Amino acid sequence: DTEVTQTPKHLVMGMTNKKSLKCEQHMGHRAMYWYKQKAKKPPELMFVYSYEKLSINESVPSRFSPECPNSSLLNLHLHALQPEDSALYLCASSQLEGLIDTQYFGPGTRLTVL
Amino acid sequence: DQQVKQNSPSLSVQEGRISILNCDYTNSMFDYFLWYKKYPAEGPTFLISISSIKDKNEDGRFTVFLNKSAKHLSLHIVPSQPGDSAVYFCAASARVDNQGGKLIFGQGTELSVKP
Repeated sequence: DTEVTQTPKHLVMGMTNKKSLKCEQHMGHRAMYWYKQKAKKPPELMFVYSYEKLSINESVPSRFSPECPNSSLLNLHLHALQPEDSALYLCASSQLEGLIDTQYFGPGTRLTVL
Repeated sequence: DQQVKQNSPSLSVQEGRISILNCDYTNSMFDYFLWYKKYPAEGPTFLISISSIKDKNEDGRFTVFLNKSAKHLSLHIVPSQPGDSAVYFCAASARVDNQGGKLIFGQGTELSVKP
């Protein structure tokens, strides 16, 4: 089983709202990731958590705040977003073992900021 | 600077024939490469990977070839099926002990397999 789940599937929010995206995996993976994908573009890395600690922040604006409550859960808290933040937000996880650390992706949350 | 490039935005192939998707990279520090398949508004689905110490990996209809001297890899799909129609992303990363690595994606190639 290589399933990563994400909720909600779709989210519409105003620029003054606060909302959260959730991601869950039960594969025992030790790293979890947030990517952002705009239309017709490849996914771009935002954050990496390794063993529940933030290990990579790709200079993401502070209006995006990640949280890893435990090894199975990853949240992305959103506040005061801009319309240009509208995108597909993808969560992924990986084992952190072996020569190839395959990342498995969830279905994504389609975010629209009005 | 694009470290991973897929120079063909689209590819059209007849059902039953071979599909060849190409990918070039510039960073010789990449340890492994992966191919993902993606439908619109869905997450990428992992297809196949290859370590930099190998030159070929095969899984069913999918084979990935790596030419390190040319910094080039390719994905072969044989035989191609209409259900293979999707966007294919090549991705690369470097292995870091005890830490998740950043996947660098190419721009993607949209494959269309016609019946």
